[in-house]
Amino acid sequence: QKEVEQDPGPLSVPEGAIVSLNCTYSNSAFQYFMWYRQYSRKGPELLMYTYSSGNKEDGRFTAQVDKSSKYISLFIRDSQPSDSATYLCAMSVRGANSKLTFGKGITLSVRP
Amino acid sequence: DAEITQSPRHKITETGRQVTLACHQTWNHNNMFWYRQDLGHGLRLIHYSYGVQDTNKGEVSDGYSVSRSNTEDLPLTLESAASSQTSVYFCASSESGIPTDTQYFGPGTRLTVL
Repeated sequence: QKEVEQDPGPLSVPEGAIVSLNCTYSNSAFQYFMWYRQYSRKGPELLMYTYSSGNKEDGRFTAQVDKSSKYISLFIRDSQPSDSATYLCAMSVRGANSKLTFGKGITLSVRP
Repeated sequence: DAEITQSPRHKITETGRQVTLACHQTWNHNNMFWYRQDLGHGLRLIHYSYGVQDTNKGEVSDGYSVSRSNTEDLPLTLESAASSQTSVYFCASSESGIPTDTQYFGPGTRLTVL
């Protein structure tokens, strides 16, 4: 079993839909959880990060961590065509000197 | 503006040749990383460095090497290119040693080994 599992997708939704992207993990030592967004033929860029369990909101994006279930989610409200990209979850052990373990990524397409 | 660049952006080579991919960052970051990205595998860590003269193996380091002689550059060398090393390669850097420090990624190098 890989340390981080991510729904493979792809995912296609109409504009304005609420999108839920999810990752599960097996390493209970993970403390830092991140979501990266990667546009086609570009490098990934950090979208959001959270520490331990709880929710974090940034505009239309909400990151949620449930450590008891080893499950993280990214919610996108009022999705826009500009949100069309690949989304990768990433995790790190506390004190790991920023070495990240990534999920495989899911490609989201938002239809106008 | 500070940035991270990779060269070349595209490279086609033959099996058995030595290939070096360049990564240069002007953030003055101590930490630098090389990943490869393949369909079905996501981003996998090849090598990383926490400072000058420091290098460490990642999860898929076989057939690759790096050296860090200054803060700005971390070249990745494929000693004898194999078709299995056809991939998109990303370099990244981050400022310091805590996990929440953002890793800034370069634009990637698309390598094809024939």
